[in-house]
Amino acid sequence: QKEVEQDPGPLSVPEGAIVSLNCTYSNSAFQYFMWYRQYSRKGPELLMYTYSSGNKEDGRFTAQVDKSSKYISLFIRDSQPSDSATYLCAVDKTSGSRLTFGEGTQLTVNP
Amino acid sequence: EAGVAQSPRYKIIEKRQSVAFWCNPISGHATLYWYQQILGQGPKLLIQFQNNGVVDDSQLPKDRFSAERLKGVDSTLKIQPAKLEDSAVYLCASSPGTGLSGYTFGSGTRLTVV
Repeated sequence: QKEVEQDPGPLSVPEGAIVSLNCTYSNSAFQYFMWYRQYSRKGPELLMYTYSSGNKEDGRFTAQVDKSSKYISLFIRDSQPSDSATYLCAVDKTSGSRLTFGEGTQLTVNP
Repeated sequence: EAGVAQSPRYKIIEKRQSVAFWCNPISGHATLYWYQQILGQGPKLLIQFQNNGVVDDSQLPKDRFSAERLKGVDSTLKIQPAKLEDSAVYLCASSPGTGLSGYTFGSGTRLTVV
């Protein structure tokens, strides 16, 4: 069983749509939860991270963690064409050293 | 602030050949990571250095992969001999310590083994 499983996509939405990206993880020892965005031919860049259950909001992005069901989500409101990228969830047992990534979901936002 | 520098950007080699990748982390970053990202997958950690010491190399295929960070600054990752399944993007990342703050990825080296 993979440690992190991510909805594979690809996902194509119209501009302005609400996007939901989801991952599940298997090990309750994971305490830190991250979302990365990766543009084509670039390295991943950190969007958000959290270490507790609940919601964390940053502008149009909301990260949601449910430790009881081992489920993490990223919501993007009012999606823009510039949001088109691959989104990767990642988990860690400590504070961000040995990251374990999901397989990524490719998102396309159409103008 | 300059980012994480990697070279070359692209490399094509034949199987059984050897190849080396270079990474220069952000100045002052003590921790350096090498990840392998196969097409359609998330990055997988190969090795983590703290200064010039290895912290975690549990997922490094040591029969063919090696890495060094001799002076605690830049690093090289080598594959010898390469296999077809080594085709991937090799990402280097660095951070000031072991936390997420400042954890930055380079753009990677895309390796194709034919």
